[in-house]
Parts: sequence; structure tokens; C-alpha cells
Amino acid sequence: GAVVSQHPSRVICKSGTSVKIECRSLDFQATTMFWYRQFPKQSLMLMATSNEGSKATYEQGVEKDKFLINHASLTLSTLTVTSAHPEDSSFYICSARERQGASYEQYFGPGTRLTVT
Amino acid sequence: GESVGLHLPTLSVQEGDNSIINCAYSNSASDYFIWYKQESGKGPQFIIDIRSNMDKRQGQRVTVLLNKTVKHLSLQIAATQPGDSAVYFCAGGRGSSNTGKLIFGQGTTLQVKP
Repeated sequence: GAVVSQHPSRVICKSGTSVKIECRSLDFQATTMFWYRQFPKQSLMLMATSNEGSKATYEQGVEKDKFLINHASLTLSTLTVTSAHPEDSSFYICSARERQGASYEQYFGPGTRLTVT
Repeated sequence: GESVGLHLPTLSVQEGDNSIINCAYSNSASDYFIWYKQESGKGPQFIIDIRSNMDKRQGQRVTVLLNKTVKHLSLQIAATQPGDSAVYFCAGGRGSSNTGKLIFGQGTTLQVKP
């Protein structure tokens, strides 16, 4: 199946700093990528939909100025957590959608563990 | 609004037994559903999906059943193995929507006892 990578896999940053997380589709082009956040022992919560060449669509309650999303190419989307605080510590997961004929398949990355100290 | 939920937070089964994980959904507009397996510290892994025009689909050792009347789906794992221990999520989406958004349930932890 198609592969989606994330970098870094783990990051520790100090409160007030910004962190960038990359999501790449390695062997396919993805016009749409999704960013999720997952707290311990909880489900995945969709944060935003990232469309190549256009602005991201954020879910209700997600601050677009805090979670900056850029989808500059068909294989790369980035999530930047600006002015991070301890409550932003979470597991961030991206997924990429590949068109297969008349339908789509969605593939998930391995996740990025963010710890804000 | 859309929501997808799971009945039990934890399921413990004996190795070799069959496992059944349940999921309920509220939005009739969801026309396809996916089961994912997530191991600790990793991203979700696709297991099997089913479209709303089907009521059953089988894969290798897994079967998904969909009951649209009561808005319920289940994942059956045959001959459960220790490697099946993980958290299982159901997710619902609308194929007719160009966004491809998925709504995830809360997850069921499957524990396989040797």
C-alpha cells in the first residue's frame, strides 16, 4: 500500500516556541491531507483538511492562527504549532488521500509525539 | 451532527477465540465505514472497509457487518492472536463528499490473553 511518513517522530520543545511537523506521501500524489490530534487513551480528532495550493479548512474549535497548515506540493503538508504550550502536548497524525479510479483511499502516517515543557 | 461511538472500552479474549468489536453511528449520511487498528505509539492501520450498500464484507480473518436499520457495525476477528492486541477504531465517512473527512469512534482496546 501507499506510504505516508511524518517527521519528526518525536519532538520536545519549550513553552512559547514553535514546532513544525512534516507529512509526506512517499509514492503517490495527495491533493488532500488531513491533520488529527490524539490525546492519551482518546480517539483521533480531526483538526483540519489541507488542500494543495489552497487554504486549509479547520474544524470547529481549532485555532487556525495557532496551528498553521501549509500544503505547498502534492506530496508535502506541514503543520506548525505556534507558541506551543504544555496543553498542546499530544500525538499528531496526518493522513493523505489518494485517488484510485472513481474512489479514494486514505493512508495514515506514523504520528508525531509532541511534548511541550 | 455526526458521531461514531463504540460500545465497550476494553475487550479481553483468550488466544484462539473469536473477537467481536461493536460500533454505533448516528449520521445516516455516512455511506462508508472503515475499521482501523492502532498499536501503541503508531498511526492507525487500515483493516477493512464497507460501503452502505453492503451488509457484510470479509477479509483475511476479519469480517465487518453493517446493520443500517439500527446504525450498527461490528468487526469480527477470527482466531484472535496476541498480535491482534491493539486499539480498534471505527470511522465513518461520506463518499459522496469531496472532503473525504472521517469521523472516528472512541476506540476499543482488545487484549488477547495467551
